[in-house]
Amino acid sequence: GIQVEQSPPDLILQEGANSTLRCNFSDSVNNLQWFHQNPWGQLINLFYIPSGTKQNGRLSATTVATERYSLLYISSSQTTDSGVYFCAVDHNQGGKLIFGQGTELSVKP
Amino acid sequence: NAGVTQTPKFRVLKTGQSMTLLCAQDMNHEYMYWYRQDPGMGLRLIHYSVGEGTTAKGEVPDGYNVSRLKKQNFLLGLESAAPSQTSVYFCASSYGFGSGTQYFGPGTRLLVL
Repeated sequence: GIQVEQSPPDLILQEGANSTLRCNFSDSVNNLQWFHQNPWGQLINLFYIPSGTKQNGRLSATTVATERYSLLYISSSQTTDSGVYFCAVDHNQGGKLIFGQGTELSVKP
Repeated sequence: NAGVTQTPKFRVLKTGQSMTLLCAQDMNHEYMYWYRQDPGMGLRLIHYSVGEGTTAKGEVPDGYNVSRLKKQNFLLGLESAAPSQTSVYFCASSYGFGSGTQYFGPGTRLLVL
């Protein structure tokens, strides 16, 4: 089946710093989503982005489907950005998402 | 508009007991999903449904059963709970085949002793 790899596995930032999270996938996809899981366990949709670029405030994402990767950019990080960021893809499997292992982000004040 | 809700939020079971987790969505979505999340891992799909009256197996279906009698509800059952089923369970829903965002519920923490 399709493999989803996220890097880095862990990241510690000082408040105000920028970061880039990467998601590589091993086959074509028709759905790619980025989620933020906050420290209370809640999964929050960030982007639905099977291709192209989107921006939402301090966050933006780019997926290059032909090269099988997606990037999540966080600018001017805040302590509330802490948590785990997951990339999940659907490889033409009827909506079934395959999740990466996540990147655990800790933003220090 | 409550989105996706899950009941209960937390439950402790003894090995061999049974229970049902309820997922409800008010967005008129066709597709619904049950995932489990184990410590330090991403979510894995247990079962899913592409419409009322239909269910299908995901990655890790063993030990679970599901039913979708009404479009807005998706039930996950554990007939005989095992410690290996200790996990956080998430329900999700989406409009349809391979398109659009999946929306997740708040999760149910299950501890099997």
